[in-house]
Amino acid sequence: QQQVKQSPQSLIVQKGGISIINCAYENTAFDYFPWYQQFPGKGPALLIAIRPDVSEKKEGRFTISFNKSAKQFSLHIMDSQPGDSATYFCAAPRIYNQGGKLIFGQGTELSVKP
Amino acid sequence: DAGVIQSPRHEVTEMGQEVTLRCKPISGHDYLFWYRQTMMRGLELLIYFNNNVPIDDSGMPEDRFSAKMPNASFSTLKIQPSEPRDSAVYFCASSARGVADTQYFGPGTRLTVL
Repeated sequence: QQQVKQSPQSLIVQKGGISIINCAYENTAFDYFPWYQQFPGKGPALLIAIRPDVSEKKEGRFTISFNKSAKQFSLHIMDSQPGDSATYFCAAPRIYNQGGKLIFGQGTELSVKP
Repeated sequence: DAGVIQSPRHEVTEMGQEVTLRCKPISGHDYLFWYRQTMMRGLELLIYFNNNVPIDDSGMPEDRFSAKMPNASFSTLKIQPSEPRDSAVYFCASSARGVADTQYFGPGTRLTVL
C-alpha cells in the first residue's frame, strides 16, 4: 500500500516564526501535490498546491518547496500567526497501477503560540 | 454557492443498524469523493465518482459499505450493518476537474456506533 510520510506529527512555533512541514512520497502517476488545512470541526480546505514543473510555489506567507529527485516536498509558513493553528495534510498521487487518486499524509498539528 | 452540503452532521446509532450519509456536491462539479477520517488511519479515500459513475471503490473497507450517486446533485454512503469500528468522521468532497484539482470538502458527518 503506497504511503505518504509526513513529519512532524505536531509542531509548536512562536508567533512570527517559521513553520516547516515535510512530506515524502513514492512513485506517482501524475504531478500534483497539494497541501490542505483543517481547523477543528471543519473539513479540510486546499491551502496551496504545486505541479512540479517548478521547484517552488509561493502564495502569501505559504511556500511549497519541491524536490522531485528526492521525492520530497515541504510546506513553509513564514511569520506564523496564531490563526494558522490547525492540522495540515500533504497529499500525493497514487502510483499508476493502483489508480489515480490522492493519498494523504497523516497530518501535522500546528500550534502557534502568541 | 453554499458549498458541499452533508447530512446529518452527527449520527449516533447502535451496532447492527443501517446508517445512511448524504451529500450534495457543488453545482457543476463532475467529481465526488467520499473520505473517512480517524485518528488511527488519517484521511482515507473510500470511493469517488465521475459524472455519477463510480471510478475507484478500492478504498471501501468491505461489503457493508456501499455508495450511490443517482444524479449529479446527490450521493449517499450507506453502512449496513454498522459496527463500532465504523465510528469516524465521514467527509464528502467535490471537484470540477478531477483528482488533480481542488477538492472542496463538506463539513463532515461524525458517526458514532455504540
